[in-house]
Amino acid sequence: GQQVMQIPQYQHVQEGEDFTTYCNSSTTLSNIQWYKQRPGGHPVFLIQLVKSGEVKKQKRLTFQFGEAKKNSSLHITATQTTDVGTYFCAGTSGNTGKLIFGQGTTLQVKP
Amino acid sequence: SAVISQKPSRDICQRGTSLTIQCQVDSQVTMMFWYRQQPGQSLTLIATANQGSEATYESGFVIDKFPISRPNLTFSTLTVSNMSPEDSSIYLCSVSLWTDNEKLFFGSGTQLSVL
Repeated sequence: GQQVMQIPQYQHVQEGEDFTTYCNSSTTLSNIQWYKQRPGGHPVFLIQLVKSGEVKKQKRLTFQFGEAKKNSSLHITATQTTDVGTYFCAGTSGNTGKLIFGQGTTLQVKP
Repeated sequence: SAVISQKPSRDICQRGTSLTIQCQVDSQVTMMFWYRQQPGQSLTLIATANQGSEATYESGFVIDKFPISRPNLTFSTLTVSNMSPEDSSIYLCSVSLWTDNEKLFFGSGTQLSVL
């Protein structure tokens, strides 16, 4: 079945360093979403990308959707302790219409 | 946006018993979903709750184990039946709205521990 792979599983950074998580799908996606889950919290929607090659920014966060609509990335510039949490990508299958979550990348930021 | 009230927030249950989790939304929603998230893991879709009809279950999940009700547009329940320690997990209610039906909003989750 369709899979959405996300790497790395964990990332520890020093405050101020950059961070990137990558998401890859085995099949073409109609869109990709990103969610953030703080420790002990529930996932919160961050953004949705729909177009091939799309790039969107939210302050220090930059989201990209690959040209082939099979991969995506989230880049955080100059991390802060408030960025701590698990970041999930979730892709909607172009074939089934189902939303499939990646395994998540857990970010730890050392002050 | 949507405000989702999910309860209980946590429970500790004995093996063989059942627990019903409730999800109430303050907005008109299109879809309601139930997810399971095991510690440190991703989100796995259990089923889509359909108003007035049987839920649509994903592979590996069955109605006898996870009966779901959705009597109206804004309320749903998930029951975890005949529990075993393997059912220990966080269960999350999720909805999408008429105004933005591709974005998911999540409830705060129910942390279930089965002894």
